[in-house]
Amino acid sequence: EAGVTQFPSHSVIEKGQTVTLRCDPISGHDNLYWYRRVMGKEIKFLLHFVKESKQDESGMPNNRFLAERTGGTYSTLKVQPAELEDSGVYFCASSQDRVKQFFGPGTRLTVL
Amino acid sequence: QKEVEQNSGPLSVPEGAIASLNCTYSDQGSQSFFWYRQYSGKSPELIMFIYSNGDKEDGRFTAQLNKASQYVSLLIRDSQPSDSATYLCAAEEGGADGLTFGKGTHLIIQP
Repeated sequence: EAGVTQFPSHSVIEKGQTVTLRCDPISGHDNLYWYRRVMGKEIKFLLHFVKESKQDESGMPNNRFLAERTGGTYSTLKVQPAELEDSGVYFCASSQDRVKQFFGPGTRLTVL
Repeated sequence: QKEVEQNSGPLSVPEGAIASLNCTYSDQGSQSFFWYRQYSGKSPELIMFIYSNGDKEDGRFTAQLNKASQYVSLLIRDSQPSDSATYLCAAEEGGADGLTFGKGTHLIIQP
């Protein structure tokens, strides 16, 4: 069974540009989560989808971040416009039972 | 604000010994607790979860939970060099969506 995949693995952009991160969950997992780890800090929850619906987006930092999951399969997280403090590793996780969350390898975003 | 605290380490343990990793949490509403292992540059991998006070064993791993003290631990018996990694403790409040993570403890098993 394929695990959670994320694309790209690395992204380097300039401040003010737009970046879109993609996550493909494990097939059949209705629950999809986005997390972020800023350097030196702990992994922090951003939001949770159940199928295509946003269940909890309380962790989203501000309105420059937009997450979508059209069709309830893969999800995208767009940052527009990117700021320096957005740099970090963005993890996606999926779950079938809302207990065990399986993490992807992450996208390392660097904003210059 | 919910917090999960871990000693960042590094924690150095000789091969074959017991590695003991500790975690405390601030939110008394937390219901479930998770230990993830993360190798450098890789994704966090779930190795144990625990809901009830007491011990839960799975192979060489034992998770321990003490809700009165708001304390979670992970014991790794017969430590192997392949156990060298960062161990992340996470808590989930009942009904909440996301996990609250600690910063992780870097464990080094010395051959």
